[in-house]
Amino acid sequence: DTAVSQTPKYLVTQMGNDKSIKCEQNLGHDTMYWYKQDSKKFLKIMFSYNNKELIINETVPNRFSPKSPDKAHLNLHINSLELGDSAVYFCASSHISGEQFFGPGTRLTVL
Amino acid sequence: GENVEQHPSTLSVQEGDSAVIKCTYSDSASNYFPWYKQELGKRPQLIIDIRSNVGEKKDQRIAVTLNKTAKHFSLHITETQPEDSAVYFCAVSKGNNDMRFGAGTRLTVKP
Repeated sequence: DTAVSQTPKYLVTQMGNDKSIKCEQNLGHDTMYWYKQDSKKFLKIMFSYNNKELIINETVPNRFSPKSPDKAHLNLHINSLELGDSAVYFCASSHISGEQFFGPGTRLTVL
Repeated sequence: GENVEQHPSTLSVQEGDSAVIKCTYSDSASNYFPWYKQELGKRPQLIIDIRSNVGEKKDQRIAVTLNKTAKHFSLHITETQPEDSAVYFCAVSKGNNDMRFGAGTRLTVKP
């Protein structure tokens, strides 16, 4: 009964490629997030969706495009991958103003 | 935007000692203050949280104190055990989708 799941767990790719990470939650939450955790472990919010609508869009290159087909899914598509995109990407979900439940993370390595 | 500072960045204690991690924030409208624990290679998980109408909350060996006037809150772990070794993150929210994390504290408990 995985609450928040992400696929893939690992992603190794060449610079310039386009890739997607998928996220699904079965908690009935109305808000979903994407975070980037760099090598220094800093957790930085990238996007937040509430009921499929974009609420927060931090200063993230427009190569990153989130897509929320429904309340239970928030996917992240990345175009023209760069070396600096290498990080662990976490999806999370919550009720508004409540505890955030994180997915297992996707370790992206750009070569 | 909200600015969250967390100290110390690393903390090493002997098993059985107490550990204290402190966070300060800038936005007086913030009203939700969770703490997350992230073990190596795992996802962040909530360990305790506090809302602005409460000054202190305790759960077994873990406690959080909040000083709204001074805009700081602290995590206290008593009788530390080796399994408490992890990275701890404070976070701050205004009760909306926007949660900001501190930079993390790497706690090492030496047996």
